[in-house]
Amino acid sequence: QKEVEQNSGPLSVPEGAIASLNCTYSDRVSQSFFWYRQYSGKSPELIMSIYSNGDKEDGRFTAQLNKASQYVSLLIRDSQPSDSATYLCAVSNSNSGYALNFGKGTSLLVTP
Amino acid sequence: DTGVSQDPRHKITKRGQNVTFRCDPISEHNRLYWYRQTLGQGPEFLTYFQNEAQLEKSRLLSDRFSAERPKGSFSTLEIQRTEQGDSAMYLCASSTAAYGYTFGSGTRLTVV
Repeated sequence: QKEVEQNSGPLSVPEGAIASLNCTYSDRVSQSFFWYRQYSGKSPELIMSIYSNGDKEDGRFTAQLNKASQYVSLLIRDSQPSDSATYLCAVSNSNSGYALNFGKGTSLLVTP
Repeated sequence: DTGVSQDPRHKITKRGQNVTFRCDPISEHNRLYWYRQTLGQGPEFLTYFQNEAQLEKSRLLSDRFSAERPKGSFSTLEIQRTEQGDSAMYLCASSTAAYGYTFGSGTRLTVV
């Protein structure tokens, strides 16, 4: 089983700060990378996808991908208490029908 | 587009009983996925369909589990002779050939 590793946290940041979430993966043929947000008791919600090296920005969120280092990260600017959730990193490749391989998630707590 | 619908939301069953869950994907999505998530873990891939064809099954899907997607529309996941270890959230997701899943709200199974 190819691994997707995340620090389980909790990561605590003050409101308004930048939250930085990290993920490493072991399968070098991974092609697609996703960040999902999951509130307690709810299903995962896609917030970012990234497919090529570099940065991708969407509002307060920036995803960063470095395929050489097998590393993907998510930055959340101006963190809000409503951002408090578990953030799941997921990777996929076409060989597995785009089935997602998830990490265990990082718990983020944004304190007022 | 009413999203991915799952039924029931919650199911409590006695060990040894059979249970069946239903997933109705977004209508134009031809790919449908089943995942299982336990507390503190990321979702684990179980199986996926492209239209009515079941193209991949995880080794997590023991012979007590069976999934169908007749006519490429809704899907069912059946668990026979349930065990306490089957207690989890069962998530269905759908997508087009492009990227990015939409998850349903999930079915929470408790085996007592």
